[in-house]
Amino acid sequence: TQLLEQSPQFLSIQEGENLTVYCNSSSVFSSLQWYRQEPGEGPVLLVTVVTGGEVKKLKRLTFQFGDARKDSSLHITAAQPGDTGLYLCAGAVGGTGKLIFGQGTTLQVKP
Amino acid sequence: GAGVSQSPSNKVTEKGKDVELRCDPISGHTALYWYRQSLGQGLEFLIYFQGNSAPDKSGLPSDRFSAERTGGSVSTLTIQRTQQEDSAVYLCASSLVAGGREQFFGPGTRLTVL
Repeated sequence: TQLLEQSPQFLSIQEGENLTVYCNSSSVFSSLQWYRQEPGEGPVLLVTVVTGGEVKKLKRLTFQFGDARKDSSLHITAAQPGDTGLYLCAGAVGGTGKLIFGQGTTLQVKP
Repeated sequence: GAGVSQSPSNKVTEKGKDVELRCDPISGHTALYWYRQSLGQGLEFLIYFQGNSAPDKSGLPSDRFSAERTGGSVSTLTIQRTQQEDSAVYLCASSLVAGGREQFFGPGTRLTVL
């Protein structure tokens, strides 16, 4: 059974602080995706990383895929209240594309 | 075009009743996925369709759950004899092709079983 462990589950920080969310597995995934979900809505894709060691940047968000394609991290620089939400990592399984999700990180950024 | 739509947005039912949840994927997307999101379990894969076929049903929790897809488009998830533990948000996603690197999610159906 493929599992993704995401940590921390909850994070409450002040505006301007930096934070990192981790996603770890003992399994190799063909790609790893990060989503953000707002209350009452479905997850929205932020980024997909495919190659081991890959780093992608989206404004203040930096995503990294581990060399062995088993783990990933999301780093947010100078967090803002608008970053508040649920962040989910998900590993894609083989050719089916079905996603195995981590438990999610609820981020609260206080002004 | 329009995104993935799901109906109803909310469904309250009594234990033992059957429910049908509907998903309209993005036009032209051949792959369709059902997930369930609950407080204790996070987001779990249920089933996926490639066209009208379901190559992977491994996530369906019991034989009370079934799904079908017709015309390579609309999909219906049916839960028979609902139980309280079926209460969750049921999310549908579609992708241009199976194995595609981007899945587009609908807003979900919140199911409450009393």
